[in-house]
Amino acid sequence: EAGVVQSPRYKIIEKKQPVAFWCNPISGHNTLYWYLQNLGQGPELLIRYENEEAVDDSQLPKDRFSAERLKGVDSTLKIQPAELGDSAVYLCASSLGAGTGSGNTIYFGEGSWLTVV
Amino acid sequence: GENVEQHPSTLSVQEGDSAVIKCTYSDSASNYFPWYKQELGKRPQLIIDIRSNVGEKKDQRIAVTLNKTAKHFSLHITETQPEDSAVYFCALGTGAGSYQLTFGKGTKLSVIP
Repeated sequence: EAGVVQSPRYKIIEKKQPVAFWCNPISGHNTLYWYLQNLGQGPELLIRYENEEAVDDSQLPKDRFSAERLKGVDSTLKIQPAELGDSAVYLCASSLGAGTGSGNTIYFGEGSWLTVV
Repeated sequence: GENVEQHPSTLSVQEGDSAVIKCTYSDSASNYFPWYKQELGKRPQLIIDIRSNVGEKKDQRIAVTLNKTAKHFSLHITETQPEDSAVYFCALGTGAGSYQLTFGKGTKLSVIP
């Protein structure tokens, strides 16, 4: 079974340019997460989806970041315009989701490494 | 929101020795406590987890203990091997079915052959 798939793996852009990351969660997983991981730090939640609904986006910088999960499967995270401080790894993760019992393991993708120059 | 402190930030042990990493938290509503291993350039991978109704869980050389009263939980790795070298993250989850994890800052474990 395929894990969480993310693309691109690596992206280098100039500041003020837009960038988008794509995530395909594990088949059947209703919950999808986007996390931000800075070098030497633990992942920090940006947004969590239950199917198509964003149930927690309180940590998403909405002035420049946006996300969507139109059909409740794949998701896209966009940054526009990118700033130097956005250089980080953007991790997508998924789990079975609410209502499926306690203890749903969260599985991570390999991440999209962004460098803003 | 939840806050979790992880110690130590770096840990070096001789191969075959044990390693212990501890996390403390403040939110008594936390009920899920996973540990993730992340090798350089790789994804975080779950290695063991524990829920609030259990005090200890073991899987071969890895164990996790939870003290809900004192609000801390620890990862224990016995008979360490060079391939255990990685960054380990503790995390907190609250809820049922769909967790939202808050991660510690990580511990870089180096196992010296």
